[in-house]
Amino acid sequence: AQSVTQLDSQVPVFEEAPVELRCNYSSSVSVYLFWYVQYPNQGLQLLLKYLSGSTLVKGINGFEAEFNKSQTSFHLRKPSVHISDTAEYFCAVSDQTGANNLFFGTGTRLTVIP
Amino acid sequence: DSGVTQTPKHLITATGQRVTLRCSPRSGDLSVYWYQQSLDQGLQFLIQYYNGEERAKGNILERFSAQQFPDLHSELNLSSLELGDSALYFCASSGGAYNSPLHFGNGTRLTVT
Repeated sequence: AQSVTQLDSQVPVFEEAPVELRCNYSSSVSVYLFWYVQYPNQGLQLLLKYLSGSTLVKGINGFEAEFNKSQTSFHLRKPSVHISDTAEYFCAVSDQTGANNLFFGTGTRLTVIP
Repeated sequence: DSGVTQTPKHLITATGQRVTLRCSPRSGDLSVYWYQQSLDQGLQFLIQYYNGEERAKGNILERFSAQQFPDLHSELNLSSLELGDSALYFCASSGGAYNSPLHFGNGTRLTVT
């Protein structure tokens, strides 16, 4: 079975500052990793995904994440945040079998302060 | 717009009642997933269907059931509702390949009073 831990439930950051949202996973098999964003009153939107290859993955809205197999981490970063980045961010994992269902972390609420 | 449509957007009902949530996947997507999002449990995977057949089951209660119809839309049936079933229920769809990203609808907010 897989599990995901998002270490910070809330992250306040000033506008134009860098941010890192932490994610660690646990799995006995190889996994795929994802970051989703949820804006208020909306569904989840895919930010980026790691399937294989380069461990640095670039996504939409200037976000990127780095897969670290030895540390079982997949932290999300952005060098300069905007007010519009205020949202809930979810890290998710799926195993490399046929089911493709995602297991989510508990989420990190990013609040960008003007 | 993800292309996934969920109806209704809001649902208020009483304990003991039964409700049906509906989901239309993105055009061409064969897989449908149901998730429950609540404050205490977070996002929990309930069940997945692929082209009409159940493919995976997660933390779905016996009081809940789902199905996917030949036109690929899906329904989630919740019965004998309890206060604790109040949550946001999301449907997602994907192309079906094992690494296809999921596309989520905007959810149905269920309130049980």
